[in-house]
Amino acid sequence: AAGVIQSPRHLIKEKRETATLKCYPIPRHDTVYWYQQGPGQDPQFLISFYEKMQSDKGSIPDRFSAQQFSDYHSELNMSSLELGDSALYFCASGSSLAGGLRSSYNEQFFGPGTRLTVL
Amino acid sequence: GESVGLHLPTLSVQEGDNSIINCAYSNSASDYFIWYKQESGKGPQFIIDIRSNMDKRQGQRVTVLLNKTVKHLSLQIAATQPGDSAVYFCAETVNQTGANNLFFGTGTRLTVIP
Repeated sequence: AAGVIQSPRHLIKEKRETATLKCYPIPRHDTVYWYQQGPGQDPQFLISFYEKMQSDKGSIPDRFSAQQFSDYHSELNMSSLELGDSALYFCASGSSLAGGLRSSYNEQFFGPGTRLTVL
Repeated sequence: GESVGLHLPTLSVQEGDNSIINCAYSNSASDYFIWYKQESGKGPQFIIDIRSNMDKRQGQRVTVLLNKTVKHLSLQIAATQPGDSAVYFCAETVNQTGANNLFFGTGTRLTVIP
């Protein structure tokens, strides 16, 4: 079965550079979520999209922005990178329509993550 | 073996024993709770979930217990196997139309001793 695809899997950047992370959700999923996981930390919610519209924002710095495109893939843009941005970035996708019925819970399927290292 | 989640982030158990991983959640409005397993270098993997109108749910070798009164969640793994070694996170969410953002608790690292 198709899973969530993230690219690149690894990324090394210098301080103050920019980075773009990409996420390709499972086909027919209508929600995308971004999470940041620092070393030894739990995942922290950054931002989510539902039907290509921003749904919620969590602890996402102003230096970061994200969008979801017409084909439902999403990109997380990170500017003025700082050492503290080094982390695993996970994308998850879900479907609010489970089995053809409106589901009250949108199970999230996580991608393999992008490991960002800022030097 | 048993952990208190937030305060004891590691748990070691012998293969074949039962494991209990605990988690305290913070938002009284949360109405869905999920346990995830995360292996090194991989994304979180769904294990089992429970709605707030339930206090127990069983899966294959796993059971989740929910105590809303004290905002406590636990994951019980029966007959723990070496393949169960991973970090386990509980997550909470609020039912809403569209996106249901997850808020994770501190993970517990489970190590199964052969």
